[in-house]
Amino acid sequence: NAGVTQTPKFQVLKTGQSMTLQCAQDMNHEYMSWYRQDPGMGLRLIHYSVGAGITDQGEVPNGYNVSRSTTEDFPLRLLSAAPSQTSVYFCASSPLRVAGLQETQYFGPGTRLLVL
Amino acid sequence: GENVEQHPSTLSVQEGDSAVIKCTYSDSASNYFPWYKQELGKRPQLIIDIRSNVGEKKDQRIAVTLNKTAKHFSLHITETQPEDSAVYFCAALKGSNDYKLSFGAGTTVTVRA
Repeated sequence: NAGVTQTPKFQVLKTGQSMTLQCAQDMNHEYMSWYRQDPGMGLRLIHYSVGAGITDQGEVPNGYNVSRSTTEDFPLRLLSAAPSQTSVYFCASSPLRVAGLQETQYFGPGTRLLVL
Repeated sequence: GENVEQHPSTLSVQEGDSAVIKCTYSDSASNYFPWYKQELGKRPQLIIDIRSNVGEKKDQRIAVTLNKTAKHFSLHITETQPEDSAVYFCAALKGSNDYKLSFGAGTTVTVRA
């Protein structure tokens, strides 16, 4: 199994440009999520999904869109990039059992985004 | 959402000594508390977790304790080794119907040889 994969590894954007960060998992996990990691602020949840066709907002959703058309893929779209979106983005997946999200979250390798 | 505070932000220890990181949470409904380790340039990985029905859990050199009354939980690393140098994150979840894991800001641990 490849686990959780993310592309690209690194991206430079100009202010106002749009782009999509890709995330895929091959573990048949119901739950997928996107976090951003900034120095001194830990990991902050952007959006999450509990299954195909179901998405919801996390702590910092503004400026980002997501969709979940399949169990495997969970892309994150930046509509109009801003310098404040410069960050490292991690995708994660987890199985959902009786106890809900009380399971290991498996993280992807991350995408480093720089917005000029 | 849940508010998780983590202290200290940096911790330097001599190899062989113990390291302790403490986190506090705000919502008494929180019942799941994982700890993640992130080595430089790598992805976060779960190292240990604890549920609210137990007070302590141990796995070799690492242990986690939970005080529900005081709403805090701690990570203990004994006999630290250079490979323990990393950033450690605590997190909290409010129950089986909660899907938003709230993370602390992280603690950078440096083990001096």
